[in-house]
Amino acid sequence: EDKVVQSPLSLVVHEGDTVTLNCSYEVTNFRSLLWYKQEKKAPTFLFMLTSSGIEKKSGRLSSILDKKELFSILNITATQTGDSAVYLCAPSPALHGGATNKLIFGTGTLLAVQP
Amino acid sequence: DSGVTQTPKHLITATGQRVTLRCSPRSGDLSVYWYQQSLDQGLQFLIHYYNGEERAKGNILERFSAQQFPDLHSELNLSSLELGDSALYFCASSLLSSGDTQYFGPGTRLTVL
Repeated sequence: EDKVVQSPLSLVVHEGDTVTLNCSYEVTNFRSLLWYKQEKKAPTFLFMLTSSGIEKKSGRLSSILDKKELFSILNITATQTGDSAVYLCAPSPALHGGATNKLIFGTGTLLAVQP
Repeated sequence: DSGVTQTPKHLITATGQRVTLRCSPRSGDLSVYWYQQSLDQGLQFLIHYYNGEERAKGNILERFSAQQFPDLHSELNLSSLELGDSALYFCASSLLSSGDTQYFGPGTRLTVL
């Protein structure tokens, strides 16, 4: 059965701190892994990772995938109060010979950044 | 704003009733995915349509059905509603049938009383 575990479940930091969020997965026919940020409503897309060891960066956020050890991390440097949200990791298996895919979401990490 | 629209924003109804949730994908996207988010289950995949054709089903109850129309909008029909169906229902869209980023709509919050 496909499984996604995110850790920690929640954390509270002060503005300016650096955080590392973890995602480990067991997914059949793994194709890619996506990270999303969910504030009040819809998850908003952050990164899609398909290859091991290649860091993706966007401003203060970065992420990397290890397909051998089956995990990914999301780093946020110099955190701001606007980073407060639930961060969701979602590996995506290829199904039916690649004709379709779905996202399998972890429970998320709740990040609270205090001023 | 992802470009994916969903209506209604909020829906309150009674047990046993039937509702229809509507989703319009981003311009040009051919795939529509439906997800359910409840407090105890997290985000769960329900169903995927690509260019009008059903491509994959997840944990979707038999009381639920969906379709994608020629103009690519999609509807999720929920019938014989139970209290446990109360949740946020998201649709997401992507250009391809597989392997690319899914962009989420704002969701429909369903409350069953």
